[in-house]
Amino acid sequence: QVQLQQSGTELVKPASSVKISCKASGYTFTSNYMHWIRQQPGNGLEWIGWIYPGNGNTKYNQKFDGKATLTADKSSSTAYMQLSSLTSEDSAVYFCARGGIHWFAYWGQGTLVTVSS
Amino acid sequence: DVVMTQTPVSLSVSLGGQTSISCRSSQSLVHSDGNTYLYWYLQKPGQSPQLLIYKVSNRFSGVPDRFSGSGSGTDFTLKISRVEPEDLGVYYCYQGTHYPPTFGGGTKLELK
Repeated sequence: QVQLQQSGTELVKPASSVKISCKASGYTFTSNYMHWIRQQPGNGLEWIGWIYPGNGNTKYNQKFDGKATLTADKSSSTAYMQLSSLTSEDSAVYFCARGGIHWFAYWGQGTLVTVSS
Repeated sequence: DVVMTQTPVSLSVSLGGQTSISCRSSQSLVHSDGNTYLYWYLQKPGQSPQLLIYKVSNRFSGVPDRFSGSGSGTDFTLKISRVEPEDLGVYYCYQGTHYPPTFGGGTKLELK
């Protein structure tokens, strides 16, 4: 079955960076888009961007340009999102989700990132 | 960005009852390819969102027929009939037609 296993909770300091992983299994990693979505505490959902692991193409929400960088490792079927210059505003749960260019169906379990000194 | 407005913000429903959620977009969600990329997700407490309805009215694999989606253009509805305890949580509409994709603010479904 399709599984997206995300890395664990992160507690990071302001101004630092963090890299979250999303390991895929049960489908062809290189033939599907991997989206990333943010959910801030008590808030709704925001789309960050997608990566197409087959060729490494990416598309970002302009709001996250310079904040998020999406990469993928085909050899390990793992997608990554690096978040830089972290502030308290970046404290959130981050999800990866697999799908097509316009949609996603299967979500990871989420990774909680807390930015605090 | 396309604004997705969901109403109501919260709903109280009896088990076995019926209810509906409205989602309105600030622009038509008809894509140039003819598809309407409007989706509905349910986030149960402590879980990741799960896909219920894709492209307005198609139930995703394993979704019971108690859930139905309808609408066109800028106006969409999710109907839930014979509500069961497992239906409780926050429902989100989502549009993938325009960049950036955006979600509605969510509708919390609770038991009366």
